[in-house]
Amino acid sequence: AQTVTQSQPEMSVQEAETVTLSCTYDTSESDYYLFWYKQPPSRQMILVIRQEAYKQQNATENRFSVNFQKAAKSFSLKISDSQLGDAAMYFCAYKWGGSEKLVFGKGTKLTVNP
Amino acid sequence: DAGVIQSPRHEVTEMGQEVTLRCKPISGHNSLFWYRQTMMRGLELLIYFNNNVPIDDSGMPEDRFSAKMPNASFSTLKIQPSEPRDSAVYFCASGHRETNTGELFFGEGSRLTVL
Repeated sequence: AQTVTQSQPEMSVQEAETVTLSCTYDTSESDYYLFWYKQPPSRQMILVIRQEAYKQQNATENRFSVNFQKAAKSFSLKISDSQLGDAAMYFCAYKWGGSEKLVFGKGTKLTVNP
Repeated sequence: DAGVIQSPRHEVTEMGQEVTLRCKPISGHNSLFWYRQTMMRGLELLIYFNNNVPIDDSGMPEDRFSAKMPNASFSTLKIQPSEPRDSAVYFCASGHRETNTGELFFGEGSRLTVL
């Protein structure tokens, strides 16, 4: 069974600084997708960034980027120039190419200090 | 465009009562998912539908839980009878199966408290 592990229950960062959230996953599949979702206090989950496993290039979305290490099954999220609005729960998620189910990690609570 | 709409936003009920949670997916989406979120277990997939047909309900906890999708624009998750351990936030999410990018669009969730 595929599993997603986020080893950092909580993280904090100073405004304007950079923070990296860790995620590892376990799978025997070669075709899969990885995601980072953000859940602010309003509760609604929002997609931050997506990575296809077959792509070697790391995905980037403005201040958000990933470090995808396929051999190590690692998928970390880097947030640059952190802003107060980045404070939220961040969930790493996995989807096998032959399925539609998203499997989520337990989440990392990010606090941004002014 | 309207996102995924869930109701009620909050529900407080007593043990043994029936609870019905509702979801309207994004128009044009043909996959619908019900997730449950708790502090202890995180986000768990309960069931998902493709084109209104239940595909995988292996995450449904027990017979007290049931879900239906009578048409493309509406789904319900019912708990009968409810128990205190059912207290959680229940999320509905929809997606477009054919794109296969995996992105899901979530509603704001229904927070259920069973006393």
